[in-house]
Amino acid sequence: QVTLRESGPALVKPTQTLTLTCAFSGFSLSTTAMSVGWVRQPPGKALEWLALIDRDDEKLYSTSLKTRLTISKDSSKNQVVLTMTNMEPVDTGTYYCIRIHNSGWFDNWGQGALVTVSS
Amino acid sequence: ELVLTQSPGTLSLSPGERATLSCRASQSISSNYLAWYQQRPGQAPRLLVFAGSSRATGIPDRFSGSGFGTDFTLTISRLEPEDFAVYYCQQYSKSFTFGGGTKVEIK
Repeated sequence: QVTLRESGPALVKPTQTLTLTCAFSGFSLSTTAMSVGWVRQPPGKALEWLALIDRDDEKLYSTSLKTRLTISKDSSKNQVVLTMTNMEPVDTGTYYCIRIHNSGWFDNWGQGALVTVSS
Repeated sequence: ELVLTQSPGTLSLSPGERATLSCRASQSISSNYLAWYQQRPGQAPRLLVFAGSSRATGIPDRFSGSGFGTDFTLTISRLEPEDFAVYYCQQYSKSFTFGGGTKVEIK
């Protein structure tokens, strides 16, 4: 059974850096062709893909946010970490960790972590 | 960027009725690299359909995806109470983008 769980701060101040961790089980990033990534959703709005990392440490980022994002992995711990710099109130929303099938669809989702950006 | 436009924004239907949701792409999506997701209130999205028309594991056969090129459709043949939710299409042909969503609400 595949599970993904996000953890991180619920509140960050403007200009701060957000660090989110995804702990996953039921598969291994070092042996599978799957990738792990992140999607976010502002309250009441649509989904937005952010980043992904694969077993070869190849990384892809959203074009609009790539200067602010860094994704990394610790395959031995089955964890993926996302950092987003210079947080603003518009970055408020739920951040989901996802497993990405090697063909590209998002076949498993974490429960999500709500992050509020406010002073 | 490949933009997806979903219509209608809201669909008001009764249980037992048929729902037809549209997703139109700003350019052709190669190899039908399109997926559909359902998001119930307060829950994470879940995969319904991938590759345009293949149902994900455990998805009832009342859900069906169709289309090619720039026009795709998700059909729910007979709405069950648990189907009232928001539905998103997503393309994975050129990077990843989602549509704005269609809310299926009880009439």
